[in-house]
Amino acid sequence: DIQMTQSPSTLSASVGDRVTITCRASQSISSWLAWYQQKPGKAPKLLIYKASSLESGVPSRFSGSGFGTEFTLTISSLQPDDFATYYCQQYNSFQYSFGQGTKLEIK
Amino acid sequence: QVQLQESGPGLVKPSQTLSLTCTVSGGSISSGSYYWSWIRQPAGKGLEWIGRIYTSGSTNYNPSLKSRVTISVDTSKNQFSLKLSSVTAADTAVYYCARERRVAGNYRTYYYYMDVWGKGTTVTVSS
Repeated sequence: DIQMTQSPSTLSASVGDRVTITCRASQSISSWLAWYQQKPGKAPKLLIYKASSLESGVPSRFSGSGFGTEFTLTISSLQPDDFATYYCQQYNSFQYSFGQGTKLEIK
Repeated sequence: QVQLQESGPGLVKPSQTLSLTCTVSGGSISSGSYYWSWIRQPAGKGLEWIGRIYTSGSTNYNPSLKSRVTISVDTSKNQFSLKLSSVTAADTAVYYCARERRVAGNYRTYYYYMDVWGKGTTVTVSS
């Protein structure tokens, strides 16, 4: 099984900040990584696929990078709507696995 | 655009079988090269992939749940379903269905990621 580890688990930031969330895979997953945003009581929403491809309709302040075992999600300038929990997910193997989540809180 | 909606009992007794259906609207479940997945999330915890099905009936399951899970598809109703047997309190969660979209890799291989999700349905296992 491929284990996905996100850091940090919680991140406090302010509107306008640039923030980065890291996701590490226990073995190489090439570029087969997605990022999701989840708000309380809602389903996850796809932000990024193939490590760096922005899903249609997602604001350009979101970006992803990485290859192999280390990946990052960056929000260039935090907006009030961005405070949520973020999950990475590998789909290199069809035994999909998610990171444990990063909760982005208002400082 | 395509929308997914989960339905099924919100309360299941221990040792019984949990049964959920996902209805696809705004498009045919058979069109395109999509897999259809189930994912769950216990309250306050992370996401766990349960399994997926192609419209041909081909399935893949999470090894940790494989002995208890069956996913099936009914193309005539534009639905796919989840059955989880011998449930315990540990199976209490919000259950989501999702569509998996295909992206090409090298050497004529394909990879799939979840691009459209249902709103989720809460299932509680309790006597």
